[in-house]
Amino acid sequence: EVQLVESGGGLVQPGGSLRLSCAASGFTFSSYSMNWVRQAPGKGLEWVSYISSSSGTISYADSVKGRFTISRDNAKNSLYLQMNSLRDEDTAVYYCARRGTHGTTDLWGQGTLVTVSS
Amino acid sequence: EIVMTQSPATLSVSPGERATLSCRASQSVNSNLAWYQQKPGQAPRLLIYGASTRATGIPVRFSGSGSGTEFTLTISSLQSEDFAVYYCQQYNNWLTFGGGTKVEIK
Repeated sequence: EVQLVESGGGLVQPGGSLRLSCAASGFTFSSYSMNWVRQAPGKGLEWVSYISSSSGTISYADSVKGRFTISRDNAKNSLYLQMNSLRDEDTAVYYCARRGTHGTTDLWGQGTLVTVSS
Repeated sequence: EIVMTQSPATLSVSPGERATLSCRASQSVNSNLAWYQQKPGQAPRLLIYGASTRATGIPVRFSGSGSGTEFTLTISSLQSEDFAVYYCQQYNNWLTFGGGTKVEIK
């Protein structure tokens, strides 16, 4: 089955760190660029970060630049998001999403909830 | 950053009726526009890409149109399972999403 499964979410204090993982299966992970997209409770969708298939191109939203780091391990079919200096406003469900052949995000995981609170 | 604006924020429609949702980009995104459906507790589901191409398995009652800065998603005859929040997304320059349109039962 073609799927993405996120993990690593949880409760963290402001200023803390968390590492999210996304496990891909059912397709050739190394051939696809990937994104992280988040959704604050009751709010809309916000793109967070992008990484190309070979990790040669990486980009971040201004809201997380300098605090978050995206990476991938094609041998392990896995995508990661290292989140440092977390703020209350980073509280959200974080989705990993595949960039499909047509350029848009055609496959999404079920999401993992990150709560930043003291 | 390209800003995407959706209207209306909420659309009240009776089952069987037609729903028309709008999305406007702050600058041209060509045809690099997608529509997603999201239900509570679920991930977004891709409906339309390339402004007008239905994704695999999407019913023909969903159609998209437009190019440049003005786009429309039309649901020709609303079914019970179509009541949800709909987002547009531009992928011409990274990704940005509209604020969403909630389609609710009238």
